Amino acid sequence: GAGVSQSPRYKVTKRGQDVALRCDPISGHVSLYWYRQALGQGPEFLTYFNYEAQQDKSGLPNDRFSAERPEGSISTLTIQRTEQRDSAMYRCASSPRDRNSPLHFGNGTRLTVT
Amino acid sequence: QKEVEQNSGPLSVPEGAIASLNCTYSDRGSQSFFWYRQYSGKSPELIMFIYSNGDKEDGRFTAQLNKASQYVSLLIRDSQPSDSATYLCAFGDNAGNMLTFGGGTRLMVKP
Repeated sequence: GAGVSQSPRYKVTKRGQDVALRCDPISGHVSLYWYRQALGQGPEFLTYFNYEAQQDKSGLPNDRFSAERPEGSISTLTIQRTEQRDSAMYRCASSPRDRNSPLHFGNGTRLTVT
Repeated sequence: QKEVEQNSGPLSVPEGAIASLNCTYSDRGSQSFFWYRQYSGKSPELIMFIYSNGDKEDGRFTAQLNKASQYVSLLIRDSQPSDSATYLCAFGDNAGNMLTFGGGTRLMVKP
């Protein structure tokens, strides 16, 4: 079966532009997480969903960041008015249950803001 | 604020030795604990998970959990050069959700 799929793999954008990062989780997985990972550091939690409901968005850095999962499957992380400090690897992960369940990561989207 | 502490390393061990990786966490209510391996330029991949105090073995890997001390470790027996990677520990919150990751320990296994 297919794993977690993220697109695009690489995104280069100019400062001030909006970007949308897509995540297609493993089919049937209940929970979907977004993380951001800087080089040499562990993944930093951004937000997560159970089904279509956003359970926790406390990790979103500011109100330029938002996420949705309208039908409980594919999710989009949107960053408005991008800034250079937003440059990072953005990782999506899904898990089959809504608690105490391992995460399966996608390959990530490398965002570069110039 | 939930915190996970890991020694960033690098931890260098000779091939065939036991590698011991350690992690402490701040949330006493955590129920689930995970070890991930991340090769350079790749995504984290799950190695083991543990929910109960004590040891859990899977092949060359043993996870050890001590909730009273808020400590989890990973032992890798008969270390191989292919084990060279960054090892991330993670724990869930007291509802079993929202995994918090440590910064990772870089392991180098020398032939």
